Amino acid sequence: QKEVEQNSGPLSVPEGAIASLNCTYSDRGSQSFFWYRQYSGKSPELIMFIYSNGDKEDGRFTAQLNKASQYVSLLIRDSQPSDSATYLCAAGNSGYSTLTFGKGTMLLVSP
Amino acid sequence: EPEVTQTPSHQVTQMGQEVILRCVPISNHLYFYWYRQILGQKVEFLVSFYNNEISEKSEIFDDQFSVERPDGSNFTLKIRSTKLEDSAMYFCAIPGPHGVNTEAFFGQGTRLTVV
Repeated sequence: QKEVEQNSGPLSVPEGAIASLNCTYSDRGSQSFFWYRQYSGKSPELIMFIYSNGDKEDGRFTAQLNKASQYVSLLIRDSQPSDSATYLCAAGNSGYSTLTFGKGTMLLVSP
Repeated sequence: EPEVTQTPSHQVTQMGQEVILRCVPISNHLYFYWYRQILGQKVEFLVSFYNNEISEKSEIFDDQFSVERPDGSNFTLKIRSTKLEDSAMYFCAIPGPHGVNTEAFFGQGTRLTVV
């Protein structure tokens, strides 16, 4: 059974701070990892994907992957109130594979 | 970013009734996914559909569910006899443009309420 685990939160950070979101996965065959942002009542919106061990940066976002530890994280620098949402971690295999999602971590950024 | 439109945005149906949820990609796609999310729970995979055939399905996708591409563009998910526990957000998704290890882009979803 493939599982992706996340702390449900909420994670509360002040505006301008760094938010750190974490995720672990059970299937060592997983090769691709995704972070989605989901506002209440809306669909998941892709923020970043990462396939290789190490860090990947895109603007204020940095994804980190450690396949040995089966661990994925997302750092959000200079957090803004508009970043307040639930962040979903997902894992997939190669090709057009299905995604296994975690339950998500709620992030609250206070002004 | 690929786009996909879902209709209706909200569907209320009585238990035991059939519902059809629709998905229309902006550009031509051969590969589709359906996911669902029960309120407060994980996004769960239902089925993937490639070139007019089911590619993969989950345990949730039982005989009550079916998928079709009736006219070459719309992509439908049918639930034959809805149950209360079918109440959820249903998302259609399409792969991104990156090929191997590709991501999924979601439509805005259909909220299904079974009463």
